[in-house]
Amino acid sequence: EVQLVESGGGLVQPGGSLRLSCSASGFTFSSYAMHWVRQAPGKGLEYVSAVSSNGDSTYYADSVKGRFTISRDNSKNTLYLQMSSLRAEDTAVYYCVQVNSGWYKYWGQGTLVTVSS
Amino acid sequence: EIVLTQSPATLSLSPGERATLSCRASQSVSSYLAWYQQKPGLAPRLLIYDASNRATGIPARFSGSGSGTDFTLTISSLEPEDFAVYYCQQRSDWPRTFGQGTKVEIK
Repeated sequence: EVQLVESGGGLVQPGGSLRLSCSASGFTFSSYAMHWVRQAPGKGLEYVSAVSSNGDSTYYADSVKGRFTISRDNSKNTLYLQMSSLRAEDTAVYYCVQVNSGWYKYWGQGTLVTVSS
Repeated sequence: EIVLTQSPATLSLSPGERATLSCRASQSVSSYLAWYQQKPGLAPRLLIYDASNRATGIPARFSGSGSGTDFTLTISSLEPEDFAVYYCQQRSDWPRTFGQGTKVEIK
């Protein structure tokens, strides 16, 4: 059974930093691209960032480019999102997603990031 | 960036009725479009991929159609568990984008 478990969310002040982790199990982690998708409270879904299966290629939404860094450790079956210079508009539930044949087939349960003073 | 516009924003229907949801892309996405269902407090679930293919375990009452810029998700006969928010998403180009969602509510 595919499982994606996010952690690392919490309350952070504007301008602060946070690192999210996503622990994967039930599939060969190193064979799949992985993405982060977020959802602000009461709002829709927003793609945040992507990383290729071997970690060589990364992509970012313009809204987070230069502030967020996606990475992965295939030896630990773990995906990361390093977030810095956080803003109130980054407040959201962050989902870790497995990309299967190009689509978001498996999602984690999400971790809430709240940016507030 | 490819903008996906969903309509209507809210659809008020009764169980057993047919639901028709629309998703229009600002430029062609070929057939690289998916539909997701989201219930409150839960992660989205993939329903339809490549415009018309049902994901594993999705009931036959869900169907998708379209290509290019105009797409439709049809629920042939609404079950109580189908009342939720539905999103379309494209993977034709970066950044990946979602529509703003259509809420299917009980009338």
